[in-house]
Amino acid sequence: AQKITQTQPGMFVQEKEAVTLDCTYDTSDQSYGLFWYKQPSSGEMIFLIYQGSYDEQNATEGRYSLNFQKARKSANLVISASQLGDSAMYFCAMRKNPGNEKLTFGTGTRLTIIP
Amino acid sequence: GAGVSQSPRYKVAKRGQDVALRCDPISGHVSLFWYQQALGQGPEFLTYFQNEAQLDKSGLPSDRFFAERPEGSVSTLKIQRTQQEDSAVYLCASSLETSRSEAFFGQGTRLTVV
Repeated sequence: AQKITQTQPGMFVQEKEAVTLDCTYDTSDQSYGLFWYKQPSSGEMIFLIYQGSYDEQNATEGRYSLNFQKARKSANLVISASQLGDSAMYFCAMRKNPGNEKLTFGTGTRLTIIP
Repeated sequence: GAGVSQSPRYKVAKRGQDVALRCDPISGHVSLFWYQQALGQGPEFLTYFQNEAQLDKSGLPSDRFFAERPEGSVSTLKIQRTQQEDSAVYLCASSLETSRSEAFFGQGTRLTVV
């Protein structure tokens, strides 16, 4: 069974500052993928970034980077230079690889950017 | 279409009523997933289709829940004899069939059972 833990229910960050959203996971699978999704108030889940368990480098996508520490089973999301539009719920998720398996989500972190 | 489309966006049902929720995935996406998201929680897996085959329905909470994807594209999630605990947002997602492909989500259907 897979489990995702997000321990920060809410965070407030000043605009233009960097923010780290925590995610730890538990799985017995050797090959897996880790995802971060953003959910604004409109409800749609927006894909941000992906990290494979065998990827040697941390994933980066624009202002988003994933701090992957496999031994600690953590996959924290770092958002640089935060913007007002970053205010949303953020979910960490994982799935078994290969193939197309279901995602297991954490409970999310509500990020609020303060102007 | 450009993205995953779900309809209706909002549905209010009286307890005991049957409802049908529709998902139109991204064209060419083989995999289709349904998730249930209760207020303040992360999405929980319900069921998974690969083309028209329902490969995993382990997350369906009861036999009142039924999903189909008869032609491998549009999918319908049906809930019979709705109960208050069925109130949630129902999210549909589709993806290509590769291990590195992300799932693209629709905006969801918010179901309220009164």
